[in-house]
This record gives sequence, structure tokens and C-alpha cells, in this order.
Amino acid sequence: VQLVESGGGVVQPGESLRISCAASGFTFDDYTMHWVRQVPGKSLEWVSLISFNGGKKYYADSVKGRFTVSRDNSKNSLYLLMNTLRPDDSALYYCVRDMDVDTTMVVFDYWGRGTLVTVSS
Amino acid sequence: SYELTQPPSVSVSPGQTATITCSGDALPQQYACWYQQKAGQAPVMLIYKDSERPSGIPERFSGSSSGTTVTLTISGVQAEDEGDYYCHSADNSGSYPGVVFGGGTKLTVL
Repeated sequence: VQLVESGGGVVQPGESLRISCAASGFTFDDYTMHWVRQVPGKSLEWVSLISFNGGKKYYADSVKGRFTVSRDNSKNSLYLLMNTLRPDDSALYYCVRDMDVDTTMVVFDYWGRGTLVTVSS
Repeated sequence: SYELTQPPSVSVSPGQTATITCSGDALPQQYACWYQQKAGQAPVMLIYKDSERPSGIPERFSGSSSGTTVTLTISGVQAEDEGDYYCHSADNSGSYPGVVFGGGTKLTVL
């Protein structure tokens, strides 16, 4: 299993950015996928999830209405479109696979190395 | 908002047993997972469903649950076990997925 994030960078407050995750080594369209972020030196924060077929999407309250998760199963890719970015969105964003143990719980079984997003004027 | 509480740091000598706790009011009803994060690396899942260990994780890592506390035990600690450890569970709000992470525990191998 390999998850490789890309697209991070430095943007100004209020701007938009789309980050991507390329998945390989497993049947991508069998799995729920997540974005989890981490401010360096701090704990982890769940951001969003998308079901295996893209039919269900959930967001943390801190990003609801600003971020949009999507996936392209034909390209084995996961995306996060981040609008109206704020300085407190600055973090390392991880692409994470859900183990899909059952439908009631989340288990993060494989993580990418992350892509760094910095929001600063 | 719901919180999972971990000790900020734990120190142990090589070969000894390290115990890292995670406390939260919803833990009697919700499973917990544990993740290890070494410096500059992505997290790795160690334990899921309180005590299940995925393939490839050494047997010295084990998890248990009692009431409002879940515990990660590392038996025969090795220098390579140094890093940050995070617990993760869900709240009881009924709002899926309700993901919550603990604040993390830094394990130092003396």
C-alpha cells in the first residue's frame, strides 16, 4: 500500500488550494479514504472522509463549508479542495486509508507521508 | 467538545515495560486505536478495536481497555520504540464519524 500526497504549498489567507493523493498497491475503490492534518509538533486532527464510491462525505466542523473532498476511482486518486484558507489551516495534510473494519467505526490503517500547506500573508 | 487525555510524556529504560494511558468518558462504549509516530514520519497503526494487533506489528505492543481508560503496553521496550503515541476513538454524540485523537504521549527510551 502506497499513498503519496502532493499539491501543498504556501498560499495567502482567503485563497484556495487543491491537494491530491495517489494511491497504489490496493484496490482503491474498495476503501473509504480520509484526510487528517497535523500542525508540526501538535496532535492529529481528522478533516474529512469519503466513502468508497464517493457517495458519502463527512467533514470536521472546522472545515465544513470551505473544504470539499472528492475521488476519482479511475485514477486511484483522492483530492481535497480547500477554499477560503485561514492561517489555522496550516498543517501537514495526510491521506489515510480506512481499514473498513465495519460501518460504525473508523480505523486509519495506512498513512501517506503528507503534504505541507502553509497559509500566510 | 469530547477529549481523550494522554500523559504528555513517558520515560522507560530499554527492556522495561512502558504503559501509556488514554482516558475518555465514551471509551466504555467506543473502541480505541493506537498509532506510533516516529520523528519526521507518518503515523503507523499499532492497535485497533482496543486490543487487536494488525499483521506486521510486533507482539510486544498490546492494548487493553478498562472502563474509561484504554492502555497501550510496550513490553521489552527497544530504542527504536522512541516516538509519539496517539490514541483515537469516537465520541458518543451519534454524529458520524465523531473522530477524536488524544493529545499524544512522547515516549523516551533512556
